[in-house]
Amino acid sequence: EVVMTQSPATLSVSPGERVTLSCRASQNLITNLAWYQQKPGQAPRLLIIGASTRATGIPARFSGSGSGTEFTLTISSLQSEDFAVYYCQQYNNWPPAFGQGTKVEIK
Amino acid sequence: EVQLVQSRSEVKKSGEFLKISCKGSADSFTTYWIGWVRQMPGKGLEWMGIIYPDDSDTRYRPSFQGQVTISVDRSTSTAYLQWNSLKASDTAIYYCARHSRPGSWYAEMDVWGQGTTVTVSS
Repeated sequence: EVVMTQSPATLSVSPGERVTLSCRASQNLITNLAWYQQKPGQAPRLLIIGASTRATGIPARFSGSGSGTEFTLTISSLQSEDFAVYYCQQYNNWPPAFGQGTKVEIK
Repeated sequence: EVQLVQSRSEVKKSGEFLKISCKGSADSFTTYWIGWVRQMPGKGLEWMGIIYPDDSDTRYRPSFQGQVTISVDRSTSTAYLQWNSLKASDTAIYYCARHSRPGSWYAEMDVWGQGTTVTVSS
């Protein structure tokens, strides 16, 4: 099974700052990777598909990059509504798998 | 707008049977793989398994094989997740979600249910 490793586990940031989250895979995923945002008490929300394409309705401040085994989610200027947990997920190899998540909290 | 609506929260005892549901709103329900995802208290997301409603093809992550049963009723556009004998360690929120590409599980999960909280006491 593919192991997904996210870093850091927690990120303390101030509104307006630029944020970079990392996701590493144990096998080559090409670009078959998605990012999700989850707020307390809510279901996950799809942000990025194919490593770099924003899902429908996702603001332009969210961007994804990477291929192979190294991926990045960047939030260009953190808004108050962006404080949440972020997960990467691979869907290139069976079975699909999530990373353990990165919590973005207010500094 | 496509929606997945899950059944209400459940409180059960160890050893009991439970079947929770996920009802789709669209006519295209049968052509997308539906997955189940577990989130234990304070923890991350775990992908459990999937079902293809059109032919009931079902696959499980190895760690969940034999622990749960995924099924579907095409006539009501409803997917199910079932436990024959619950354990305290099954306490979690369970989400159903649609894999976005028709006929393929090689896809992100674009539509999510609201989650069903299952609490199992010993």
